[in-house]
This record gives sequence, structure tokens and C-alpha cells, in this order.
Amino acid sequence: GQNIDQPTEMTATEGAIVQINCTYQTSGFNGLFWYQQHAGEAPTFLSYNVLDGLEEKGRFSSFLSRSKGYSYLLLKELQMKDSASYLCAVVDSNYQLIWGAGTKLIIKP
Amino acid sequence: NAGVTQTPKFRVLKTGQSMTLLCAQDMNHEYMYWYRQDPGMGLRLIHYSVGEGTTAKGEVPDGYNVSRLKKQNFLLGLESAAPSQTSVYFCASKAREVGELFFGEGSRLTVL
Repeated sequence: GQNIDQPTEMTATEGAIVQINCTYQTSGFNGLFWYQQHAGEAPTFLSYNVLDGLEEKGRFSSFLSRSKGYSYLLLKELQMKDSASYLCAVVDSNYQLIWGAGTKLIIKP
Repeated sequence: NAGVTQTPKFRVLKTGQSMTLLCAQDMNHEYMYWYRQDPGMGLRLIHYSVGEGTTAKGEVPDGYNVSRLKKQNFLLGLESAAPSQTSVYFCASKAREVGELFFGEGSRLTVL
């Protein structure tokens, strides 16, 4: 079967750095997405990785290792507004998105 | 710039009632999706469409029907609502096979 694993919840301090991991086992791989979802709102796109390595976009970076079936989202200089759920999703061989259950990130002052 | 619009935003139904959720997108996207999101679970695909006039079943299609008569609209129907269908429903669209998904604001449905 296809599976995406993420931690259920993480806590971090304002101004710090946090890394949210995602491991996957899917039938084929055509890329990995990270989305951010604030409570009561829709998911919004953060990043897309299809090749191994690190993609940096401002305070957020996303890393992919296809051989390990592993990705992480790195958030730097945390702000209170970063409190949200972070969803990892993999595009499988049929070009369907397989979603993880999401990681709820709590930022404390 | 509306993007993806869902109506209604909230609805309370009694068991056995029927209803339709409407999704409209103004980005000329080919691909449209209906998901449900329940606490502690990832987004689960109900039905999807790869173009006007086409629909396909997703992971959890039972109890739902869809139609895509016009490219910009994707309707999700519940013929006989059940309490297990209490959820938040998201519509999403994208321009190409591997691309960013744009989501509507969500529709919160409660079935009593």
C-alpha cells in the first residue's frame, strides 16, 4: 500500500528553527508537495520537489531524498503566524496525490 | 481574483436528505477534485475530473456523485446523507497533471 508518515504534532519557540519530516512509500514518484493549512482555512502551496536536494524560498526550505523516500520542511526564524498544519503529499505513478495526515506546528512565545 | 469558490460554506442536514455542493473556478483549469478532511486524517479524494464531461472515482467515492458539465464547475452530490459524511469538503483545481493545487475555502457539512 501507499503510505505517507509525518509527526502528528510539534512545538517550537518563536524565532527558532524547526524541521518537519515526511517519509513516504508510494507506487512510483513524480514529485513531493508541501502545503500549509491554518486552522479553519484551506491548504496553500508552499513547495514542490522532484529532484534530490534543497529548495530554498525565503524562511522556508524543502529537502528531498528520493533514494531514502524522505523529505523535510525547514522553517527558520519562526513567527507566531507559522502556527499551522503542514501537509506532505506525494505524486504517485498515476499522477495522483497521496496525502499525509499533516503535522500540527505550535509556536510558543 | 476569485480562484476557486465553493458554495455553501456551511450546511446542516438530516440523515437521508440530499444536497449538492458547487465548486467554481475561474482559472481555466482542466483538473478538478473533491476532497474530504476529517480530524487526524489526511485529505481523502472523493471524485475527480481531468476535463469537461469526465469524472472518475477517488479513494472514498461511496455515497457521493459528481458532474462536470462545464469546465469551470464541478458539482458534488449527496443523494442520501449519512452521519459518516459529516466532514469538511474541499474542492481544488490545477492546470496540469503535476502542478500546484488551488483550494476553495471549504464547506463544512454536518449530518444529524
